[in-house]
Amino acid sequence: AQKVTQAQTEISVVEKEDVTLDCVYETRDTTYYLFWYKQPPSGELVFLIRRNSFDEQNEISGRYSWNFQKSTSSFNFTITASQVVDSAVYFCALSENQAGTALIFGKGTTLSVSS
Amino acid sequence: DSGVTQTPKHLITATGQRVTLRCSPRSGDLSVYWYQQSLDQGLQFLIQYYNGEERAKGNILERFSAQQFPDLHSELNLSSLELGDSALYFCASSVVGTGVNEQFFGPGTRLTVL
Repeated sequence: AQKVTQAQTEISVVEKEDVTLDCVYETRDTTYYLFWYKQPPSGELVFLIRRNSFDEQNEISGRYSWNFQKSTSSFNFTITASQVVDSAVYFCALSENQAGTALIFGKGTTLSVSS
Repeated sequence: DSGVTQTPKHLITATGQRVTLRCSPRSGDLSVYWYQQSLDQGLQFLIQYYNGEERAKGNILERFSAQQFPDLHSELNLSSLELGDSALYFCASSVVGTGVNEQFFGPGTRLTVL
C-alpha cells in the first residue's frame, strides 16, 4: 500500500537557520513520482518539485534542495538560510505510474520561521 | 496563480443541505482531481476525471458526486451535509491522467456546515 510519512509535525527555527523536512514513503510500484507542495497561511497549495523514481540526482533550486534516496525510501527537503516567508505547511506526496492515480499526501510539517 | 479556478471561495450552509463546488482546470489540462482537507483526515483524494470520464475514486462518500463537462470544467456536489463535511475542498488539474504530471491546485473552497 502507498503511504507517506512526515514524522515532524512542527518545526520552529530562527531566520537564517537551515532546516530539513523529512519524508519517508512506501510503495510497491517500481515507477513512482514524489512531490513537495507548500501551503502558506493563505491556504493555497503550491507545487515545488516533482521527482521520478529513476532519477536519484539531488536537486537545488535557489535556497531549496531535495535529497532523494531510494535505499532509505526518503525524499527530504532542505531550506537553506530560512526566511520568515518560508513559514508554511509543507506536504510530501507520492503518486504511482498508472492511469487514474492520485496524490497520496503525508500529514504535513508546519514550519515556523521567526525573525 | 496556478491557473486553476474554483468558486465559490467560501460557502456557509446548514446541515442537510446540498451544495455545488465548481472548478475550471488550467488551459490544456484534461484531468481534474478533487481533494478534501480537514484537520483530522489531512489531505484526502476524493475523485478524478479525465476528459469527461471518471478515472479513479478515493475516499468519497456516497453523498458526494462529481462530474466533468465537455468544456472540462468540473463540479463536486455534496448533499445531506453533516457537520463533519466542513473542510477545505481543493480541485487540481494535470495535463494527463497518470502520475507523471504534477497537479496544480486551485485556491480551494472553504465549506462550513452549521
